[in-house]
Amino acid sequence: SAVISQKPSRDICQRGTSLTIQCQVDSQVTMMFWYRQQPGQSLTLIATANQGSEATYESGFVIDKFPISRPNLTFSTLTVSNMSPEDSSIYLCSTLMSTGSMNTEAFFGQGTRLTVV
Amino acid sequence: QKEVEQDPGPLSVPEGAIVSLNCTYSNSAFQYFMWYRQYSRKGPELLMYTYSSGNKEDGRFTAQVDKSSKYISLFIRDSQPSDSATYLCAMSRSGGYQKVTFGTGTKLQVIP
Repeated sequence: SAVISQKPSRDICQRGTSLTIQCQVDSQVTMMFWYRQQPGQSLTLIATANQGSEATYESGFVIDKFPISRPNLTFSTLTVSNMSPEDSSIYLCSTLMSTGSMNTEAFFGQGTRLTVV
Repeated sequence: QKEVEQDPGPLSVPEGAIVSLNCTYSNSAFQYFMWYRQYSRKGPELLMYTYSSGNKEDGRFTAQVDKSSKYISLFIRDSQPSDSATYLCAMSRSGGYQKVTFGTGTKLQVIP
């Protein structure tokens, strides 16, 4: 299993500013993921972050808006840049770990509840 | 059409009731089916997973998968107030590290 510590747990930010969310895993993992969870919508994958390479962004998400760092196998950051009220959401980091027998399990941090005013 | 559709709820039931949560999906390549539980202000945590079709039981929880109908269910027997949470279905293809696709989640409230 994996324990993921994510901070801050919540923040209220002014529009036009940026917020960096940190995610620490208690073991080395190959892949880390950043999701956005908006009310009434499914978890939406923002990007996949592998150590030593550029993050891979999903359709609708760009690096200028959501720059990601992955300096080592236990840590990642997501920055929400030039924020607007539409960025208000819960942001979650996640990793996959093998459970054996072909399956992988997704583990999540506790989330960052962002409100942009 | 979304790959995964989930009844949005919210669902409110009395304590002790049997709860049925459901998802449908369109991608026949999905092989692993999971249910996550998310308490308020917490990240999702894995509740159960099943591979391919069939049933799996764990205590008061039973997960069912019908691949022919592309339909999965989670049943909660003798529901408790502590079961009040949002339940998300999720699924992925088999083999290695595969992207997990989530449903929108169903908010469940069990009333004492």
